[in-house]
Amino acid sequence: AQSVSQHNHHVILSEAASLELGCNYSYGGTVNLFWYVQYPGQHLQLLLKYFSGDPLVKGIKGFEAEFIKSKFSFNLRKPSVQWSDTAEYFCAVNARGGSYIPTFGRGTSLIVHP
Amino acid sequence: DAGVTQSPTHLIKTRGQQVTLRCSPKSGHDTVSWYQQALGQGPQFIFQYYEEEERQRGNFPDRFSGHQFPNYSSELNVNALLLGDSALYLCASSLFPDRDTDTQYFGPGTRLTVL
Repeated sequence: AQSVSQHNHHVILSEAASLELGCNYSYGGTVNLFWYVQYPGQHLQLLLKYFSGDPLVKGIKGFEAEFIKSKFSFNLRKPSVQWSDTAEYFCAVNARGGSYIPTFGRGTSLIVHP
Repeated sequence: DAGVTQSPTHLIKTRGQQVTLRCSPKSGHDTVSWYQQALGQGPQFIFQYYEEEERQRGNFPDRFSGHQFPNYSSELNVNALLLGDSALYLCASSLFPDRDTDTQYFGPGTRLTVL
């Protein structure tokens, strides 16, 4: 079974600062990778996903993530955060050719000060 | 295009009671999955329904059961509620995963509080 580790549980930044949230997974086979975002009072939304191809994936709202297979990592980045990026961010992985049920990390709470 | 909807939004129950939560999938989707999200944690998979049958199940006791209807909507039932069942219950819909590119779409959740 796969597992996901998000090392930063709480991150506080000022507007315009750069963001990088770590995500590492544990699984020996091929995976699909996801980042979801949960804005305050809103439902979980897909930010970006990686299935195959270019390991640098661009998502909505200026976010991107890079899949580094050798490091089992899928870190989320944004060059300049905004107050509206304040949210909970979840990394998830599912096993290709397996159950397709995503396993989620415990999430990173991001607070951006104006 | 209607997204995933869930009802009710909030629910308060007492220990030992039973609860039923409801979910309607995104238009065009035939598979419904249920997750439990405890405070400060990521969603944990409960089970998945397709063609009115439970296809996969996570590590949850038999007190958690479900149903899927012919119109693809689904119910989650929890019997003999415990304080630890207090959580946000999320429903996600997708197309039955016969392709590697399927993605789950989540509803707003039902906040269950057990007193």
